[in-house]
Amino acid sequence: DAKTTQPPSMDCAEGRAANLPCNHSTISGNEYVYWYRQIHSQGPQYIIHGLKNNETNEMASLIITEDRKSSTLILPHATLRDTAVYYCSRITGGGNKLTFGTGTQLKVEL
Amino acid sequence: GAGVSQSPRYKVAKRGQDVALRCDPISGHVSLFWYQQALGQGPEFLTYFQNEAQLDKSGLPSDRFFAERPEGSVSTLKIQRTQQEDSAVYLCASSLRRHLRTEGTDTQYFGPGTRLTVL
Repeated sequence: DAKTTQPPSMDCAEGRAANLPCNHSTISGNEYVYWYRQIHSQGPQYIIHGLKNNETNEMASLIITEDRKSSTLILPHATLRDTAVYYCSRITGGGNKLTFGTGTQLKVEL
Repeated sequence: GAGVSQSPRYKVAKRGQDVALRCDPISGHVSLFWYQQALGQGPEFLTYFQNEAQLDKSGLPSDRFFAERPEGSVSTLKIQRTQQEDSAVYLCASSLRRHLRTEGTDTQYFGPGTRLTVL
C-alpha cells in the first residue's frame, strides 16, 4: 500500500522559513507530488506541485530529492495566517485520484 | 473568480435518512471529484466524473453511496439510509482536464465541503 508520511506537527516563528518534510518512498516514476493546506472548516487549498524538478511559485518552494523518495515544502517567510494543516499528496500522471498523506499541523507563532 | 461551491455547508441527519449533497464546480471545468474526510484525517477519494460520465467510483464505500452529474456541470452525492460512520466532511473538487493523458496533470481545486453529522 502506497504510503505518504509527514510529521504530525511543527512550530515556526513568524518571519522565519517553515520547512515541511514529506516521505513518499514508494512513489512511482510518473506520480506527481502535490501540496495542499487546510485551514479549519475550509477545503484544501492548492499550494504547489512537481514531478522531478524543484518548483517555486508566489506561495512556496518545493524541493524534491533526486531519488524522489522525499520532498520538502518551504514557506520562505511564515506568517500567522500560514497556520494550517499541510498535506503532501500524490497523483499519477494521467490519473485522477489524489492520495493524501497524513498531514502536518503547522503552528506559526510570534 | 468564483471557486467550487458546495451546499449545504452543514447537514444533520438521523440514522436511516437519505441525504443529498450538491457541488457546483468552477465554470468550464470538465472533471469533478468527490472526497470524504473523516475527523483528523486527510481526504480520501470517492469518485470522479469527466463531463457527465462517471469514470471511477472505486472509492465509494458501499452501494448506499451514489453520485451523479447528469448535465456535466452540477453534481450530487447521495447517501441512502445514513449510518453514524458516514459522519464526515464531503469535499468536492474540479479541474480543467479536457482529456485523459498518460502524462501531465491538472490541479484539482476544492470547495469548502459539507459537514455531515449522522445522529
